[in-house]
Amino acid sequence: AQSVTQLGSHVSVSEGALVLLRCNYSSSVPPYLFWYVQYPNQGLQLLLKYTTGATLVKGINGFEAEFKKSETSFHLTKPSAHMSDAAEYFCAVGGRGGGATNKLIFGTGTLLAVQP
Amino acid sequence: DAGVIQSPRHEVTEMGQEVTLRCKPISGHDYLFWYRQTMMRGLELLIYFNNNVPIDDSGMPEDRFSAKMPNASFSTLKIQPSEPRDSAVYFCASSSGRSGLAKNIQYFGAGTRLSVL
Repeated sequence: AQSVTQLGSHVSVSEGALVLLRCNYSSSVPPYLFWYVQYPNQGLQLLLKYTTGATLVKGINGFEAEFKKSETSFHLTKPSAHMSDAAEYFCAVGGRGGGATNKLIFGTGTLLAVQP
Repeated sequence: DAGVIQSPRHEVTEMGQEVTLRCKPISGHDYLFWYRQTMMRGLELLIYFNNNVPIDDSGMPEDRFSAKMPNASFSTLKIQPSEPRDSAVYFCASSSGRSGLAKNIQYFGAGTRLSVL
């Protein structure tokens, strides 16, 4: 079985500060890992994805995430927050192999607020 | 590509009425997912299809909910009869199970905001 835990349902940072959104996963098989962003009144959009290879994954809008197998973590970071980063962020895990590989398990989301 | 298209964007109805939500997935995608999002329960997977066949409907809350995918380019989610607790934003997403960089990535529609009075 797979699961995702996002620590902190609300995170507030100042503009220009580091953004760190935490995600821990549980998976019995090597996982695919995703971060999605949801702006108000919109659907979810993919920020970045980890499948194999390099454990540091770069995404859109300056975000990146590092897959740490030993810590079962996939935290999302951005060096300098911008007002436009205010949104809800979802971590998700998917499996490998046949069958239900395209099903994703989503975390409960973290709402990021950016203060001027 | 136009992306995943959902209609209507907003639906207001009275309790007891039938509601039908529609989704057109991205052309060539072989997976389609229906989600419900509420403040209380977050994002819930209701049902998903692979090659137009329902694979897992364990998230469908009760018999009032049904989903169909008559062909690769169209799916519906129906609620009959609707109840106030069904008020939520319903999302459709599609993805490709074929190998390649886009494998497993789910692309979401803009959602349908349902209000049941």
